[in-house]
Amino acid sequence: QQQVKQSPQSLIVQKGGIPIINCAYENTAFDYFPWYQQFPGKGPALLIAIRPDVSEKKEGRFTISFNKSAKQFSLHIMDSQPGDSATYFCAASWGWREGTYKYIFGTGTRLKVLA
Amino acid sequence: NAGVMQNPRHLVRRRGQEARLRCSPMKGHSHVYWYRQLPEEGLKFMVYLQKENIIDESGMPKERFSAEFPKEGPSILRIQQVVRGDSAAYFCASSPPGRTRAYEQYFGPGTRLTVT
Repeated sequence: QQQVKQSPQSLIVQKGGIPIINCAYENTAFDYFPWYQQFPGKGPALLIAIRPDVSEKKEGRFTISFNKSAKQFSLHIMDSQPGDSATYFCAASWGWREGTYKYIFGTGTRLKVLA
Repeated sequence: NAGVMQNPRHLVRRRGQEARLRCSPMKGHSHVYWYRQLPEEGLKFMVYLQKENIIDESGMPKERFSAEFPKEGPSILRIQQVVRGDSAAYFCASSPPGRTRAYEQYFGPGTRLTVT
């Protein structure tokens, strides 16, 4: 199945909280899972990504947790700040043909961090 | 190293006119992807190109839409005879060649098309 299911659709947390955004997939051919951050009026920016041979990856305040058997992965934002308020998209990629890769995006989560 | 460039950033067209959207990939990148984003929705894949080749256009409407990535110059997404339903943000992404990093896609700022 070429689909990535993302939840929740929107999320509100207090400053310092840890918002968690979840994504689930079916296709075991997916082998790269990035997260993108998008501010209003801007293009998506690559935030952090993980391969399925790793269960967790941290970059600054952002952590991806990956559960290969459950076919789920999630983004955690530690010590969230109002500046983190944005829309977050998960994606899954697979080697479509030799040297070529395609993405399927989740539907996005609108995060609001209250000051 | 400049990022992915797109122009124009905003484009207003009347129904029936043509829209041309341009994308210059990051330096050294040879793969270009076009996506469409409707308000409050996710990114929908349209077309994937390499220099002078369309690799996959399965997400692009069969009529009125075309894309190219010439040997020289930017990639162009062309929408002929625009209709109100074409109003959306169109994003271009690029990725580097080679197997080790070709899976990374970097997005431009987008072109917001409004059809009146």
